[in-house]
Amino acid sequence: DGGITQSPKYLFRKEGQNVTLSCEQNLNHDAMYWYRQDPGQGLRLIYYSQIVNDFQKGDIAEGYSVSREKKESFPLTVTSAQKNPTAFYLCASSINWSGGAFFGQGTRLTVV
Amino acid sequence: SQKIEQNSEALNIQEGKTATLTCNYTNYSPAYLQWYRQDPGRGPVFLLLIRENEKEKRKERLKVTFDTTLKQSLFHITASQPADSATYLCALETDSGYSTLTFGKGTMLLVSP
Repeated sequence: DGGITQSPKYLFRKEGQNVTLSCEQNLNHDAMYWYRQDPGQGLRLIYYSQIVNDFQKGDIAEGYSVSREKKESFPLTVTSAQKNPTAFYLCASSINWSGGAFFGQGTRLTVV
Repeated sequence: SQKIEQNSEALNIQEGKTATLTCNYTNYSPAYLQWYRQDPGRGPVFLLLIRENEKEKRKERLKVTFDTTLKQSLFHITASQPADSATYLCALETDSGYSTLTFGKGTMLLVSP
């Protein structure tokens, strides 16, 4: 089955620690994206990548970092510099936006 | 920057009725507009895309309209069912020069039996 997989589903970390969220897709999509969703808020773009070894900042990139070493993988690191990291993180991929985006099931990160 | 407005209040309707959700946007008119469904604790699922030169698009019980003059899209679910209860998100291409989507906050639909 083709799809996009995020892991883990729930993640707890202590304040001040970096944490990496995994996102893998087997849809052969070039473009991948990370969004953040807070209660009552829309999805906000963190980073995106249109091609391997290249990525761009989105609207709220501060305190986050990404890598795109393989087409299938686009991990997101939430660093200690992110002031408010507790949120629901969504990874997506697409061939192009006209066909819609495929989203993973999300990772709920709680920082205590 | 592009702003998207969706009704923040939940829409409650009776099973069998038609649900109509609204998406309004400001600034420039996008080349296309998309609708997604999101269930609690899950990622959004793509439903429909409508282009600026299309007035209406249908898929089974779903219908989307796109009025670039009013800067508005309407999303209809006919013969609604309790299983249609979810949050529905409107999304437009971002106007900041790169090919990504800007999402509205979504409207929750509750269909009661």
